[in-house]
Amino acid sequence: DAGVIQSPRHEVTEMGQEVTLRCKPISGHNSLFWYRQTMMRGLELLIYFNNNVPIDDSGMPEDRFSAKMPNASFSTLKIQPSEPRDSAVYFCASTQGRDEQFFGPGTRLTVL
Amino acid sequence: SQQGEEDPQALSIQEGENATMNCSYKTSINNLQWYRQNSGRGLVHLILIRSNEREKHSGRLRVTLDTSKKSSSLLITASRAADTASYFCATSRDTDKLIFGTGTRLQVFP
Repeated sequence: DAGVIQSPRHEVTEMGQEVTLRCKPISGHNSLFWYRQTMMRGLELLIYFNNNVPIDDSGMPEDRFSAKMPNASFSTLKIQPSEPRDSAVYFCASTQGRDEQFFGPGTRLTVL
Repeated sequence: SQQGEEDPQALSIQEGENATMNCSYKTSINNLQWYRQNSGRGLVHLILIRSNEREKHSGRLRVTLDTSKKSSSLLITASRAADTASYFCATSRDTDKLIFGTGTRLQVFP
């Protein structure tokens, strides 16, 4: 298995632009998580899905952030409009059950 | 808000020495997990200990859990330069959601 796949790996954009991050979880996993990691705030859970349904989005910073999971093999995290303070590494992770989570390599987002 | 606080924030040791990292958390848990993150990479799962377990081993890793003190420790024995990374504890309660600690940065010098 290729593991969790994220794209793009790096994204540089200008303030006000729309950013879309993509994730393909491991086949057969039924839960998917989006995290954000910064030096200041550490690793934060933004939202997670179970069987493609959003379960907990309490970590989503504000209405500029939205996430979808249209099927079991694909999820997107969208930021519109982006701001410099959104600069971070965004990780996607998946799991089957409540044990080990498998993380993707992350997307490093820089908003200028 | 983060559930776990880790101590120390940073640790530097020589190859061959043991490294001990501690994690404290705030609420009751179902299990506690430890992850490693190499610079610029995603997190990798190391070991899981359930709330009814007190100690677990995996290779050079030893994890303890004290639910009365709401704390856990990760011991890496006979450390190697390749162990240089950040180490995070993460707790879960009754859902799939994990809450991560602040992490310990471990530097192992050859």
